[in-house]
Amino acid sequence: GAGVSQSPSNKVTEKGKDVELRCDPISGHTALYWYRQRLGQGLEFLIYFQGNSAPDKSGLPSDRFSAERTGESVSTLTIQRTQQEDSAVYLCASRDPGSYNEQFFGPGTRLTVL
Amino acid sequence: LAKTTQPISMDSYEGQEVNITCSHNNIATNDYITWYQQFPSQGPRFIIQGYKTKVTNEVASLFIPADRKSSTLSLPRVSLSDTAVYYCLVGTRYSSASKIIFGSGTRLSIRP
Repeated sequence: GAGVSQSPSNKVTEKGKDVELRCDPISGHTALYWYRQRLGQGLEFLIYFQGNSAPDKSGLPSDRFSAERTGESVSTLTIQRTQQEDSAVYLCASRDPGSYNEQFFGPGTRLTVL
Repeated sequence: LAKTTQPISMDSYEGQEVNITCSHNNIATNDYITWYQQFPSQGPRFIIQGYKTKVTNEVASLFIPADRKSSTLSLPRVSLSDTAVYYCLVGTRYSSASKIIFGSGTRLSIRP
């Protein structure tokens, strides 16, 4: 079946603008993660959704970052008043509830803030 | 939760066997060990997962000693296409997501 998809694949924006990134997880995967990956670095956890539970937002770096998820489907990550340090690849992953940490990643959205 | 430690980088040559070791001294009883591979400009991809002893699939083998405080990912007869970053994670399906830390991984470079 289809994997995790993300859109847009690339986003260039000006400092101070808001951006919205979208993730479509694999159907049936109740767990969804957002990560940030700066150039040459490892993955930085941002937020986690699991079914109808309250999301784990402990990785969000500031209140300019927020995310929503509609049921067990699409998720959007919103960054308000973007800053140059927000430039990174934003990765989304979903997981089958029965698996032990087997996350399926999307291709990512490369965000460039000018 | 268990913190993992891996070498920052490794180099090898085509046709060689490569072993990447990950330390996880504080692994919990219910934790599984999972390895991911990430190619440039792509998201990480699940490679292999295990709980104890040895697991083998079409891509790699995973060796886990009895005390489970470390694990070794073994890539047989590597090729240039195995050049990637490899991440080791430990946790359970119930692990708090914020604690499932990918870290910086091991950057493997394969030379002709």
